[in-house]
Amino acid sequence: GENVEQHPSTLSVQEGDSAVIKCTYSDSASNYFPWYKQELGKRPQLIIDIRSNVGEKKDQRIAVTLNKTAKHFSLHITETQPEDSAVYFCAAHGSSNTGKLIFGQGTTLQVKP
Amino acid sequence: EAGVAQSPRYKIIEKRQSVAFWCNPISGHATLYWYQQILGQGPKLLIQFQNNGVVDDSQLPKDRFSAERLKGVDSTLKIQPAKLEDSAVYLCASSITRNEQFFGPGTRLTVL
Repeated sequence: GENVEQHPSTLSVQEGDSAVIKCTYSDSASNYFPWYKQELGKRPQLIIDIRSNVGEKKDQRIAVTLNKTAKHFSLHITETQPEDSAVYFCAAHGSSNTGKLIFGQGTTLQVKP
Repeated sequence: EAGVAQSPRYKIIEKRQSVAFWCNPISGHATLYWYQQILGQGPKLLIQFQNNGVVDDSQLPKDRFSAERLKGVDSTLKIQPAKLEDSAVYLCASSITRNEQFFGPGTRLTVL
């Protein structure tokens, strides 16, 4: 069935270090991969997304890479800051091509000042 | 641009009671989604509407959950009767295309 696996479940880094979160997906037809940031008690907010015709996308300190052959994609945050602390979710389109998103289990990122 | 609105923000009920949640999507967004987010997990799609038609309800527990979007704008999600395992945050999202989804603040349901 449709599945997105996300690792690690928790990640603690020092301020200024880089953080990497990895996801794998099961459906080779998936073509859209968003990343959401969710602060405690708040709504998920889209921070970056990538489509299957692109291998990498950057937005300031955030980048996402996609390997369609291996069916995995990663989020890279450089020069981390305390305000980056949150839960991060990856997602992939489901096989029905309706726009349905299958989410990973989430990664709790803690950036220590 | 106003975001996705949801109410109530919090609800506490006893098991076997009924509850309803309301969502108002971003103006012009034809697609509306209801997700269930259990503590410590990612959101799971319950039902997806395109205008007022159901696109996907494969993971909706239809014996107790129902949803409607009669005029293609606002939507309600109902649980009747509620079970302990229904305790979760219920998120509504909307989108113009099949890609970027915008989430509402969610309704936190506690079933005692």
